[in-house]
Amino acid sequence: DAGVIQSPRHEVTEMGQEVTLRCKPISGHNSLFWYRQTMMRGLELLIYFNNNVPIDDSGMPEDRFSAKMPNASFSTLKIQPSEPRDSAVYFCASTPGLNTEAFFGQGTRLTVV
Amino acid sequence: GIQVEQSPPDLILQEGANSTLRCNFSDSVNNLQWFHQNPWGQLINLFYIPSGTKQNGRLSATTVATERYSLLYISSSQTTDSGVYFCAVGGGSNYKLTFGKGTLLTVNP
Repeated sequence: DAGVIQSPRHEVTEMGQEVTLRCKPISGHNSLFWYRQTMMRGLELLIYFNNNVPIDDSGMPEDRFSAKMPNASFSTLKIQPSEPRDSAVYFCASTPGLNTEAFFGQGTRLTVV
Repeated sequence: GIQVEQSPPDLILQEGANSTLRCNFSDSVNNLQWFHQNPWGQLINLFYIPSGTKQNGRLSATTVATERYSLLYISSSQTTDSGVYFCAVGGGSNYKLTFGKGTLLTVNP
């Protein structure tokens, strides 16, 4: 298996632009998580899905952030409009089920200028 | 939510030395993982260990769930072991993983 696949690996965008991050979980995994990593806050959970349904989005910082999982093999995290403080590394992770081992993608490094 | 504390925050070793990293957590857990974040930013799975002891080569881990801590042992350290080691836990009906702040390990040749 290729593991969790995220795209793009790097994204540089101007403030105010829309940004879409993509994630393909490991085939057969039922749960998908979006995390954000910053120096100040470390690794924090933004949202997670189980069987394509959002379960907990309490970590989504504000309405500018939205996430979807239209099917078992694809999820997106969208920021609109983007701001410089959104600059971070965004990770996607998937697990075979709840409370099982999580596997992370390589992350998307987002820079908003 | 669950609090996770890792110690030490920083550790500098000479190649060949052994080390122990600690993870304390504030509540019962049914999920605990150790990760290594390499200098390229990748999060690499080391152990899935909500309880008990596991070994993988020079690395081993022990979780004592009743006492709410986990230990990661690195023996005969190598320069490639450098990076940040994270402990992440999950518990109860909350299925998310909460990460500690990590231990930054530097192994010098």
